[in-house]
Amino acid sequence: EVQLLESGGGLVQPGGSLRLSCAASGFTFSSYAMGWVRQAPGKGLEWVSALSASGSDTFYADSVKGRFTISRDNSKNTLYLQMNSLRAEDTAVYYCAKRYTNYWYFDLWGRGTLVTVSS
Amino acid sequence: DIQMTQSPSSLSASVGDRVTITCRASQGIYNSLAWYQHKPGKAPKLLLYAASKLESGVPSRFSGSGSGTDYTLTISSLQPEDFATYYCQQYYTIVWTFGQGTKVEIK
Repeated sequence: EVQLLESGGGLVQPGGSLRLSCAASGFTFSSYAMGWVRQAPGKGLEWVSALSASGSDTFYADSVKGRFTISRDNSKNTLYLQMNSLRAEDTAVYYCAKRYTNYWYFDLWGRGTLVTVSS
Repeated sequence: DIQMTQSPSSLSASVGDRVTITCRASQGIYNSLAWYQHKPGKAPKLLLYAASKLESGVPSRFSGSGSGTDYTLTISSLQPEDFATYYCQQYYTIVWTFGQGTKVEIK
């Protein structure tokens, strides 16, 4: 089955760190760029970060630049998001998403993992 | 960054109704627009891309149109499983942006 499964969310204090993982299955993970999109409580979708298939090119929203790092391990079919210096406004459900082959829209999404930043 | 403005933010409709959602970009995006359906607790689902191309497996009652800065998602005959929140997304420029969403509720 083609799917993405996020993990690693939880409760963290402001200023803390968390690493999210996204396990991919059912497709050739190493052939596709990937991204992270989040949804804060009561809000819409916000693109966070993206990564090329090889991992050589990374992209970040201004709101997380310098604090979040996206990476991937193609041998493990897994995408990561290292989140440092977390703020209350980073509280959201984080979705992993697969990019369509040639264009930056997302044709496969996971169900998300909740990150709560609170003291 | 390109701003995407969806309208309405919510609507109430009945099964069988024709529903139209609009998405306006702050600058031309040359049909680089996708539409998604999102239900609570579920993974978002791609419906259309390139403004009007239907993703494989998506029912034909969904359609998209538009050009330049103005785009439309239409559901020709609303079904019970279509009650959800719908988002547009532009992919014309890096820093991909979404509309704020349109929640389609049961009347």
